[in-house]
Amino acid sequence: AQSVTQPDARVTVSEGASLQLRCKYSYSGTPYLFWYVQYQRQGLQLLLKYYSGDPVVQGVNGFEAEFSKSDSSFHLRKASVHWSDSAVYFCAASRTGGYKVVFGSGTRLLVSP
Amino acid sequence: NAGVIQTPRHKVTGKGQEATLWCEPISGHSAVFWYRQTIVQGLEFLTYFRNQAPIDDSGMPKERFSAQMPNQSHSTLKIQSTQPQDSAVYLCASSSGAGAEQFFGPGTRLTVL
Repeated sequence: AQSVTQPDARVTVSEGASLQLRCKYSYSGTPYLFWYVQYQRQGLQLLLKYYSGDPVVQGVNGFEAEFSKSDSSFHLRKASVHWSDSAVYFCAASRTGGYKVVFGSGTRLLVSP
Repeated sequence: NAGVIQTPRHKVTGKGQEATLWCEPISGHSAVFWYRQTIVQGLEFLTYFRNQAPIDDSGMPKERFSAQMPNQSHSTLKIQSTQPQDSAVYLCASSSGAGAEQFFGPGTRLTVL
């Protein structure tokens, strides 16, 4: 079955530190991959997406993610986090050309001062 | 472009009452999705429409829940005989085509007393 796994329910980092949020997918073939962010009491917003090509994709607000086919992973990174990055981050995937998106369980990021 | 619009933002119902949630997708988007979000279950897929036709309702509870899309400008999610366990944030999203990212509304917070 198609699935997306985010192994870390909560991550705490200090402001200015680097960040990696982990995501593993289980799909036949290479899926389309997404990272979304949800700030408190808001809907989800797209950070970045990967369809094909360069495995490192850049997103908004200094976020980037790297696709690895061998590892079935799509980890999110940021070089230096800000307190405003505190939010819930969702990794998601869809089959190539599909409409339906499967979401991971989310990782709650807390940036401490 | 106002984004995906959901109304009401908050709804409080008594146990056994009916609740109808509205979603207006982004103009021109062909697919509309409904999700339910709770702290315990996380983000759960409910159903989606493509070009107004119901495509996949595999996440919908078999009783009391129904969704419709009578025209391209709005979709409704109806919950009959609401129960306290229906309390959640209901999110609507739309997308422009296969493989495209989903744009989310702010959600409707349903509280069943």
